[in-house]
Amino acid sequence: DAGVIQSPRHEVTEMGQEVTLRCKPISGHNSLFWYRQTMMRGLELLIYFNNNVPIDDSGMPEDRFSAKMPNASFSTLKIQPSEPRDSAVYFCASSLRLAGGGDTQYFGPGTRLTVL
Amino acid sequence: AQKITQTQPGMFVQEKEAVTLDCTYDTSDQSYGLFWYKQPSSGEMIFLIYQGSYDEQNATEGRYSLNFQKARKSANLVISASQLGDSAMYFCAMREIAVRSYNTDKLIFGTGTRLQVFP
Repeated sequence: DAGVIQSPRHEVTEMGQEVTLRCKPISGHNSLFWYRQTMMRGLELLIYFNNNVPIDDSGMPEDRFSAKMPNASFSTLKIQPSEPRDSAVYFCASSLRLAGGGDTQYFGPGTRLTVL
Repeated sequence: AQKITQTQPGMFVQEKEAVTLDCTYDTSDQSYGLFWYKQPSSGEMIFLIYQGSYDEQNATEGRYSLNFQKARKSANLVISASQLGDSAMYFCAMREIAVRSYNTDKLIFGTGTRLQVFP
């Protein structure tokens, strides 16, 4: 079975440019999560969706960040304009949320973003 | 507020020996889940093991077991018969379990422990 798929795996861009990260969750999963990992702050939840609806975006750093989930098999995280401090590894994770609560989150391979 | 503490920034273990990675947590909730993830140098986050707060028995998955001590609020990961491929960062994480609250899907992570297995 395919796991969570993220693209690109690596992205190098210049400050001020728009960056779009993509994620395909595990088929059948109904919850999707975007995390950011840095040395200074560790793993932080940015936003998560359930059934394509954003549930909690309190972790989104600022208005430069936006996320969408137009359907059950695709999500994007966009940074516009990008800044050097956005350099990090961005993970997408998915899980199956049942009536009894959320299940185990499975992570994608991550996108390593470098903003020059 | 929920909090996960991993006090060991780094651990060393010889191949074939067992190692325990510490994790303590703080929560006022009665229902919660505890997870361990492995992050090798390649960067991916790999789910290892899960323990629910109401599970009476410690979780086990192959060479991984979770030493769950609810009264002490600890959920230590035990790796038996260490292998060179076990060298990685290990993260402990916690999630509330509340059926009707979507906010309980959030995972709170510790800062991680870097395990190095030597021959």
